[in-house]
Amino acid sequence: GAVVSQHPSRVICKSGTSVKIECRSLDFQATTMFWYRQFPKQSLMLMATSNEGSKATYEQGVEKDKFLINHASLTLSTLTVTSAHPEDSSFYICSARGRGLRGDTQYFGPGTRLTVL
Amino acid sequence: AQSVTQLGSHVSVSEGALVLLRCNYSSSVPPYLFWYVQYPNQGLQLLLKYTSAATLVKGINGFEAEFKKSETSFHLTKPSAHMSDAAEYFCAVSGNSSSGYALNFGKGTSLLVTP
Repeated sequence: GAVVSQHPSRVICKSGTSVKIECRSLDFQATTMFWYRQFPKQSLMLMATSNEGSKATYEQGVEKDKFLINHASLTLSTLTVTSAHPEDSSFYICSARGRGLRGDTQYFGPGTRLTVL
Repeated sequence: AQSVTQLGSHVSVSEGALVLLRCNYSSSVPPYLFWYVQYPNQGLQLLLKYTSAATLVKGINGFEAEFKKSETSFHLTKPSAHMSDAAEYFCAVSGNSSSGYALNFGKGTSLLVTP
């Protein structure tokens, strides 16, 4: 199957700093990428949907100025957590859909564990 | 909007016993349904998916699920549990085209397998 990578896999930062997480589709063109957040022992919650070359669509309650998403190419989307605070500590997972694929075809990255001190 | 409900946040079975994890869906259109497994501190692994073909779907690691429209259910089963099956299991439904087919996840069921 197709491969989606995330970098870094783990990051620890101080409160107030910004952190960038990359999501890459390694062997297909990802026209749509999704960003999910998972708090400890909870389910995945969709944060935003990004389509290549256009602005991301954020879910209700997700601050777009805090969680900056850039989907600049067909293989890369980035999530930047700006001015991170301890409550932003979470597991962030991206997934990607390719051009022309049906709704049943989506590939997940391995996730990024963010810890804000 | 499409959604799923997982009944039982924790399920405990003995090694070798039947595994049954319950999932009910709500969807205004024929749904795409998924089961994922997540091991501690890891990402998601797709177990199986239903895409309107055969109602009985076979997945990896001996798991299978049956789509029952009359019951709006997509329960996950495995005839004989292994210790290695202990993990978190998520049922998910695909949203429609307006959402880009984002997945809506259930709250998850933690499976414990005892010797």
